[in-house]
Amino acid sequence: GENVEQHPSTLSVQEGDSAVIKCTYSDSASNYFPWYKQELGKGPQLIIDIRSNVGEKKDQRIAVTLNKTAKHFSLHITETQPEDSAVYFCAAFSGYSTLTFGKGTMLLVSP
Amino acid sequence: DVKVTQSSRYLVKRTGEKVFLECVQDMDHENMFWYRQDPGLGLRLIYFSYDVKMKEKGDIPEGYSVSREKKERFSLILESASTNQTSMYLCASSPGGGLNQPQHFGDGTRLSIL
Repeated sequence: GENVEQHPSTLSVQEGDSAVIKCTYSDSASNYFPWYKQELGKGPQLIIDIRSNVGEKKDQRIAVTLNKTAKHFSLHITETQPEDSAVYFCAAFSGYSTLTFGKGTMLLVSP
Repeated sequence: DVKVTQSSRYLVKRTGEKVFLECVQDMDHENMFWYRQDPGLGLRLIYFSYDVKMKEKGDIPEGYSVSREKKERFSLILESASTNQTSMYLCASSPGGGLNQPQHFGDGTRLSIL
């Protein structure tokens, strides 16, 4: 089955800096890659997703890039704000079952 | 907006009890999922359902069962609760057209088994 590795497990940045979280996947047939943000006491919320026929997708301060050859995808957050502090999960869908999630990255944005 | 509602935010039960966790979605989604979330282990799929009365095992189904009698409701059942089932349980739903669709999560039930 699919295996998703996510790095780093924790990330601390200053407000205004950029943050990058990286994930690698094992199954070259994977074709859908969502990113979720989980705030304390809440369920994960979809923030952006990308399909395998696209290399990059942007939504305001958030972007996701996909490198199918290297089998990795990344979340980029620019001009970080304290309210960006949360746990972020990547996931991949390979067609065998459902989404396989990474283990999460705790992002802390300091004012 | 999609709303996935889990019936309890916190639940405390005793070892050996039969425990029911309920989940309701209001967007007429075909697919529904149950995950458990543990520190350092991320989200692990317990069961999912792609239609009424249909169910499929996920990665960690042992000790659990599910029921989907109506499209909007998906129940997780702990047949005989054990302390190693203390965890955060998350329900999600997604539209039809395949399983590679965005999943929408509820806010979770934190279950403690004493």
